Amino acid sequence: QKEVEQNSGPLSVPEGAIASLNCTYSDRGSQSFFWYRQYSGKSPELIMSIYSNGDKEDGRFTAQLNKASQYVSLLIRDSQPSDSATYLCAVRNSGGSNYKLTFGKGTLLTVNP
Amino acid sequence: DAGVTQSPTHLIKTRGQHVTLRCSPISGHKSVSWYQQVLGQGPQFIFQYYEKEERGRGNFPDRFSARQFPNYSSELNVNALLLGDSALYLCASSLDGGPGAQYFGPGTRLLVL
Repeated sequence: QKEVEQNSGPLSVPEGAIASLNCTYSDRGSQSFFWYRQYSGKSPELIMSIYSNGDKEDGRFTAQLNKASQYVSLLIRDSQPSDSATYLCAVRNSGGSNYKLTFGKGTLLTVNP
Repeated sequence: DAGVTQSPTHLIKTRGQHVTLRCSPISGHKSVSWYQQVLGQGPQFIFQYYEKEERGRGNFPDRFSARQFPNYSSELNVNALLLGDSALYLCASSLDGGPGAQYFGPGTRLLVL
């Protein structure tokens, strides 16, 4: 059973701070990694994808990938109250089941004004 | 361009009934995946279809079935509904079901009484 683990939180940060969200995965052959944001009562929205080791930046968001450690993270700089949501880490399976994404349970982030 | 559309948005059924959920992918996308999300959990993979063929199936009973039409829209059918089928059903669209990202529709919230 391929697994994705996230700290369920809640993670609470003050406005303007850096929020750090972490994710580990068990499928060593995975090549594609995604972060989704899900507001309460809404569907997941893709915010970052990363495929290679290292950092990938998009605006206030930075995704970091370390395949050797089977670890992926998301940094949110200058956090805003509108960033308050559940953040889902998703990993595409390797091998014969590479059609599916395996999701973590999500980390609830609260940004306090 | 329109994103992923799903219908209906909400549905209330009773145990033992049948339900059909519908999804239209992003224009140009040929792959549709279905996920089930229960409260407090990440989405769980149900099916993926690409070019009208089933590419994969998750760990769901045979009461769940799906198909994809020539215009790439898809429907998910669930027979003999159980209380535990109450969840948010998400459709995700991708270009070809390959390593790239999947984009979610707004979801159908199903309540089984």
